[in-house]
Formats: sequence, C-alpha cells, structure tokens
Amino acid sequence: TQLLEQSPQFLSIQEGENLTVYCNSSSVFSSLQWYRQEPGEGPVLLVTVVTGGEVKKLKRLTFQFGDARKDSSLHITAAQPGDTGLYLCAGVPRGSGGGADGLTFGKGTHLIIQP
Amino acid sequence: DVKVTQSSRYLVKRTGEKVFLECVQDMDHENMFWYRQDPGLGLRLIYFSYDVKMKEKGDIPEGYSVSREKKERFSLILESASTNQTSMYLCASSLSGRAGDEQFFGPGTRLTVL
Repeated sequence: TQLLEQSPQFLSIQEGENLTVYCNSSSVFSSLQWYRQEPGEGPVLLVTVVTGGEVKKLKRLTFQFGDARKDSSLHITAAQPGDTGLYLCAGVPRGSGGGADGLTFGKGTHLIIQP
Repeated sequence: DVKVTQSSRYLVKRTGEKVFLECVQDMDHENMFWYRQDPGLGLRLIYFSYDVKMKEKGDIPEGYSVSREKKERFSLILESASTNQTSMYLCASSLSGRAGDEQFFGPGTRLTVL
C-alpha cells in the first residue's frame, strides 16, 4: 500500500494553461514537502508545509496543506516549459521517528509543458 | 554552494560483482540516506545513517549494506550484484532528524547489472 498517492501520474499541457496535482494519504503527516526532479538530476526541494490549512506561494506555484494534514496540492498558474519535470511529494508520518528515518515519497507526477 | 556528490553518474557491472557507490556531502550534515528510484515505484529508502558508524535499515535493505566511517561520506555496497538491482541510486543528506528538514540529493548513479 502506497502511503502517499499522487495524481495524476502523467500530465501534458500547453504553455500558459493552469494545472493542479495532488498528493493524498489516509495517514496524518507532521509535514509534507514538494520536490521537483529534472532528468538526470536528483530531486530539489520546492517547499515544506507544516500547518494544517497552510498555503505557500512560490512565484506561479501555490502549495496547500490540507486541514487534516493528510493531503496536499500543487497548483501552477500559466505553466511554462521550464516547469517540466517530475513533481514528488514526501513526508514524515506523524508518530514515526522523525526526519532522521528518511522521507516517505509518493511516486510522483510527470509534468510536460509543451511550448 | 551546498553539494552532495556521487562517485559515478553511470555504472555497468556484471552479476555477482561487488559494487561500491560512494556519496560525499560538504554541508556537515548529520543524516545521510540511500534511495533507489524505479519507474512506477518511486523513491524507496534502502538505508540511512544519523551518525558516524551508525546505520539503520530502510524499507528495502535486502542485498545491500552501507558504511559510514566519516561524517561526510556514506557508501552503499552491493555484495553480489543481481540484475534486479539495476536502478537509479540517489544519495541524500539532511542537517538533523527533525521532520521537515530539507533533504539535499546528489545527481544519482544509474547502475546497470548485466
């Protein structure tokens, strides 16, 4: 059973469109992180959300943590080809050993923005 | 600029060979991790270490071992490589064990076992 379910698995849209990707779980998380991975590279952290209901913005990217701290979403406005990549959500389940035990990752959303 | 480096970007080995994957971080981080990444399976934790000479099993430790003799270096060892260990291997480090700490990843080693 996958602890963090990401949807959609694949998404291909035109430049300028808006999109939302989701990260869902039946478990409560102490925090959730979103990473972006480009081909041939390791994941790079975009944001960490900690408080239920929290909304964080990073230029055209808006991240939201669910009130119950079981889910998160990433919304991209006016997508650009440079947004292309694999978007991974990751977190530490509440009650686990903390971040020292390593993160639990979703399988990711492959996003392609076509010019 | 903070950095996690991995010894090889690409590696090809034969079944039964002993394989060493090296990872070095220059950020004085306490925690280091080894993941493997496979299509359709995502990133899975193999082993992690929260201190020199300390190691803990992750979700899929079978067929692997690790070594952390120095704080900055974390090695992953495949004692006898098998074809099902063909994968992308990612090393990461984080400052402490607090939930929400950023993990910094290396560029990965793509290992092919023939």
